Amino acid sequence: GAVVSQHPSWVICKSGTSVKIECRSLDFQATTMFWYRQFPKQSLMLMATSNEGSKATYEQGVEKDKFLINHASLTLSTLTVTSAHPEDSSFYICSALKGVGDEQYFGPGTRLTVT
Amino acid sequence: GQQLNQSPQSMFIQEGEDVSMNCTSSSIFNTWLWYKQDPGEGPVLLIALYKAGELTSNGRLTAQFGITRKDSFLNISASIPSDVGIYFCAGAADNYGQNFVFGPGTRLSVLP
Repeated sequence: GAVVSQHPSWVICKSGTSVKIECRSLDFQATTMFWYRQFPKQSLMLMATSNEGSKATYEQGVEKDKFLINHASLTLSTLTVTSAHPEDSSFYICSALKGVGDEQYFGPGTRLTVT
Repeated sequence: GQQLNQSPQSMFIQEGEDVSMNCTSSSIFNTWLWYKQDPGEGPVLLIALYKAGELTSNGRLTAQFGITRKDSFLNISASIPSDVGIYFCAGAADNYGQNFVFGPGTRLSVLP
């Protein structure tokens, strides 16, 4: 199998605080993980590509100082939304690449609401 | 940059009917993936296609990699209520699975 988990599933935080979201590949090692954001009724928007042991590659328009990504091990990548604002409220989904040329396996998503 | 278009944007069908949706691109892709997303959850991979002309089935689902490598089709036969959701196509021009582009999705509703 290829199972990816995310924690937490749902988080509500106050404006100005930071939130950390974890993405884990449970039954395989993932050299590469991806972070997406999805607004209601819209498609997935790639935020960044996270490679284990190196700096993440951010898509154009995504602030790397605001969305901190750490891929410290082959099974864990974290996304920290720093100084969150209401406009950061969204559904954040991670995916993991099982192998070179393999498909992406998605986590269940984390819904972030910033009040 | 690369963009994908999905058609139709949304559709309402009767239970038991067959469904057909497609995904088109202005550029060539080497890989096509089809995902289904239920509300509030992450996308789940349905079918992966790696070769032009390839036709792959997964239960009641059949997907084809267009011969021009610029499109892909997904068909669902004998739809059931649990087929409701958003179907996304994703394409990648490289062979490493890294640079996928997602379509805007087709929203499917199945009426009993």
